[in-house]
Formats: sequence, structure tokens, C-alpha cells
Amino acid sequence: EVQLVESGGGLVQPGGSLRLSCAASGFTFSTYWMNWVRQAPGKGLEWVANIKQDGSDKYYVDSVKGRFTISRDNAKNSLYLQLNSLRAEDTAVYYCTRGHTNVYWGQGTLVTVSS
Amino acid sequence: DIQMTQSPSSLSASVGDRVTITCRASQGISNSLAWFQQKPGKAPKSLIYAASSLQSGVPSKFSGSGSGTDFTLTISSLQPEDFAAYYCQQYNSYPITFGQGTRLEIK
Repeated sequence: EVQLVESGGGLVQPGGSLRLSCAASGFTFSTYWMNWVRQAPGKGLEWVANIKQDGSDKYYVDSVKGRFTISRDNAKNSLYLQLNSLRAEDTAVYYCTRGHTNVYWGQGTLVTVSS
Repeated sequence: DIQMTQSPSSLSASVGDRVTITCRASQGISNSLAWFQQKPGKAPKSLIYAASSLQSGVPSKFSGSGSGTDFTLTISSLQPEDFAAYYCQQYNSYPITFGQGTRLEIK
């Protein structure tokens, strides 16, 4: 069974940092593109970033470029998102997802940016 | 960026109805389109990918069609568990973008 479990969310002050993690199991992690998608409270879905199987290619939505960094560790079957220079508008549930076809979603982790 | 526009934004229907949700891309995306269902307080669930391919485990009452710029999601014989929000997503080019969502409510 495919499982994606996010962790690392929490309350952080504006300008602060967090590192989100996603633990993957039930499939060959190293063979899939992986994504982060977020959803602000009461709003729609927004794709944030993704990373190629070997980590050689990474893409970001413009609003997080230069502040967020996606990475992966295929030996640990884990995906990460480093969030720096956080803003109030980054407050959202962050989901880890597998691939672009036959997509699987984690349960999400809530990031709240507030003073 | 490719804009994805869903219509309608909300829809009221009855149990047993057949409904169709439309998603239009601002430029051609071939068949690089997915549909997701989200219930309140839950993570989204994948329904359709490549415009018309059913995700494993998803009942055949869900179907997708289209190519290029115009796509549809059809749900036949609505059941209480189908009342939820539905989102389309294009993955043809970066940034990957979602439609604004369609809220399907019980009439």
C-alpha cells in the first residue's frame, strides 16, 4: 500500500524557517517525481515544487522561488521542503504527492506563519 | 502560466443525478490533465489522470474526457459520498496549475 506521511509543520513567526519531511513507503520511491502542494485555509490547491527522481531537476512556483528548497534522499525514501523567510501568506496545509499520473497524496502537515 | 478555469464553481444536485464539471485551459495542454476529489477536512484523492484514465480503485461512475483546452469530469448516479469539492490540474508545463475548484452540494 502506498503511504506518504508528512511531518514538520507548526507555528512559526514571519521571517522564520521550517523543514517539512515526507516519509514514503509501499512503492519504489527512487523511480517517481515527487511534489509539494499546499492549501491555504478555505482556499484551493496550489502546486509548490517538484523534484526529479534523482534530484537533478527541481521546479518551483514563482511565489516561493529563492525561499523554499525541495530535496530528497532516495536511500531514506524521504522528500523534504525547506521553508525560509516565511510569510503570513505561506500559511497552509502542505501535502506531499507522488508523480503526475496515478497520483497519491499524504494527509498533509499544517504550517502557520503568525506573530 | 496556464490558467485553468472550472465551471460551474458550485453545483447543487440530487442523489441519483448525473453531473458534468468542465475545465478549460488557457492554452493547449494535450491530455495532461488530472481530476481530484476533496472532502472537508481531508486530503485530496486522485480520480482521473491523462484526461480519461481512471486511478486505481476509483469506481467507474467517474469518467473524464477531453484534449487540448476543454475537459470534462462526469459523475453518474450520485451517491451521498460523492458530494465534495472537485479540482482539475494541468501538468503539461510549469508551473503546474489547478482550477479554482467546483463544490458539489446536495440539493
